[in-house]
Amino acid sequence: GNSVTQMEGPVTLSEEAFLTINCTYTATGYPSLFWYVQYPGEGLQLLLKATKADDKGSNKGFEATYRKETTSFHLEKGSVQVSDSAVYFCALSDPGAGNTPLVFGKGTRLSVIA
Amino acid sequence: GAVVSQHPSRVICKSGTSVKIECRSLDFQATTMFWYRQFPKKSLMLMATSNEGSKATYEQGVEKDKFLINHASLTLSTLTVTSAHPEDSSFYICSAAITSGYNEQFFGPGTRLTVL
Repeated sequence: GNSVTQMEGPVTLSEEAFLTINCTYTATGYPSLFWYVQYPGEGLQLLLKATKADDKGSNKGFEATYRKETTSFHLEKGSVQVSDSAVYFCALSDPGAGNTPLVFGKGTRLSVIA
Repeated sequence: GAVVSQHPSRVICKSGTSVKIECRSLDFQATTMFWYRQFPKKSLMLMATSNEGSKATYEQGVEKDKFLINHASLTLSTLTVTSAHPEDSSFYICSAAITSGYNEQFFGPGTRLTVL
């Protein structure tokens, strides 16, 4: 079945440091890939998405590229801010399977210190 | 963008009472909604898939008589926690699927349930 594996946290970085959160997936067919962010006490917000190979999703300085050859969708940001402290979830969906639940990774907690 | 609301955002109740949580898609129709439960510092656990006009599909280990789901319209799904107990205290999140071809889903802000 489909699955998502993302790096275990927590990740602690200083402000303006470079961020990478690794995410790899296993899927049949051609899934769509997502990164969601959850700020403390809140629900999930879609951060970015990519729907086909080599697509790059980007938002708020975050980027992730859909790499079919390595089955990866790593999240990167060149310079993190304290306000980026949150939990980040990598997820995939199978667009050929109708409205099925997203498959989530376990989440990576990021703490950015000033 | 598509907006999903949940009500209430926070509820505290006594053990043995029932609590209803509403999930609404505000600017789109959602034939399918999903209910998740999230324990502290954990990922989301899918509880059930709710399809408008039909019975919900529950994940293994989720008691359907305990967590009643109703999806009466294309914009509203409700989760009722019946005879709540302290172990039901959790963060409950819904999502609504938009038929875009990419199976894109939008999440509500969550409901924090505390059972005393």
